[in-house]
Amino acid sequence: GAVVSQHPSWVICKSGTSVKIECRSLDFQATTMFWYRQFPKQSLMLMATSNEGSKATYEQGVEKDKFLINHASLTLSTLTVTSAHPEDSSFYICSARAGNSGLANTDTQYFGPGTRLTVL
Amino acid sequence: LAKTTQPISMDSYEGQEVNITCSHNNIATNDYITWYQQFPSQGPRFIIQGYKTKVTNEVASLFIPADRKSSTLSLPRVSLSDTAVYYCLAFTGGGNKLTFGTGTQLKVEL
Repeated sequence: GAVVSQHPSWVICKSGTSVKIECRSLDFQATTMFWYRQFPKQSLMLMATSNEGSKATYEQGVEKDKFLINHASLTLSTLTVTSAHPEDSSFYICSARAGNSGLANTDTQYFGPGTRLTVL
Repeated sequence: LAKTTQPISMDSYEGQEVNITCSHNNIATNDYITWYQQFPSQGPRFIIQGYKTKVTNEVASLFIPADRKSSTLSLPRVSLSDTAVYYCLAFTGGGNKLTFGTGTQLKVEL
């Protein structure tokens, strides 16, 4: 149980184009989804927290107009990297949390397999 | 400043017990501590989660002292396939900042 998928697993695009990454919770409903970015040999950095049906909360330094997040249903969140540039090349990982316990901070995050973005 | 720190790397041999400690000196009062394993180019995989004292599951144990400013992941008998990066995750800074640890690269040899 608690499977999270991401699509695509990897993508190569030209500078200036936009790329959409999907994150799905396959066997549970995720009230909260998180988007992370990971550069080589570094830890995961939280980009934004997304609650179903509401606007995402972005971490300091993350441009909300560049990284558009939509969490339209309890099983799907999307991250769109708009006007991508080579410096946006990274490993993007989502996670989903069920939030059934009533104590949000105690609920486990389950991670997707990640999406490798390369911007030429 | 909320910080979550871990040793950069650890080396071990097959069959040995490995203990990895994470320092989270500003952890939120009500938050659990979670540990993940990550292989290259993959998403983190859940290992274990705890709030205080000791938690054990089929793959690991987690020790959390009373002050909760640190936690120790214990892998009882490691194998070559346990070579990976291990991360702790907690809410810090009063509960409003979700912070991954710096990660520990564990290398297991024969």
